[in-house]
Amino acid sequence: DAKTTQPPSMDCAEGRAANLPCNHSTISGNEYVYWYRQIHSQGPQYIIHGLKNNETNEMASLIITEDRKSSTLILPHATLRDTAVYYCIVRVSSGSNYKLTFGKGTLLTVNP
Amino acid sequence: GAGVSQSPSNKVTEKGKDVELRCDPISGHTALYWYRQSLGQGLEFLIYFQGNSAPDKSGLPSDRFSAERTGGSVSTLTIQRTQQEDSAVYLCASSFGQGGTEAFFGQGTRLTVV
Repeated sequence: DAKTTQPPSMDCAEGRAANLPCNHSTISGNEYVYWYRQIHSQGPQYIIHGLKNNETNEMASLIITEDRKSSTLILPHATLRDTAVYYCIVRVSSGSNYKLTFGKGTLLTVNP
Repeated sequence: GAGVSQSPSNKVTEKGKDVELRCDPISGHTALYWYRQSLGQGLEFLIYFQGNSAPDKSGLPSDRFSAERTGGSVSTLTIQRTQQEDSAVYLCASSFGQGGTEAFFGQGTRLTVV
């Protein structure tokens, strides 16, 4: 079962920052936060992940609260091609099972 | 290869026939995952491999579904006696078999049972 809660949909104006929230209040100390997105008819695309520190890469930034109970994915300058379903997932960092459990995600629509 | 490769990309089969779906993971990735996605639905976990063994096959919907992995590389998902409700996109992903690493997905096999 997914352990995250996300709004079902969000809108963003092209060129503006898109801030996608995720609640994971039951996250364990050994679980990472991962973000993926799925553009229509394509396989999911990895975006970013983190444990407790904020992370940034060429696609996005990930801000994790100090208590790790929530996080925000930031797309700094959204484009029309960023329209997709965004999934926030928690995943163990050690053990024997590293499966990703997907919830319903957030449909981000970037408008011109 | 550069990414996860799945074949065929599309498969149309008649109800009752068996089908095999193939996944070639990224070289060196010891973990491999199968998911399926029905039209308009989310991703449903099917099975997870670490090497050639499957520590988690909890998502396989019935005993008509089976999967194997050989040589720690290629995996085959087999669906026997296909039903119309098996119609979906079947997605494969692979990653290094340790925490904190990314899993990369293939483009999937679209299965249509008629």
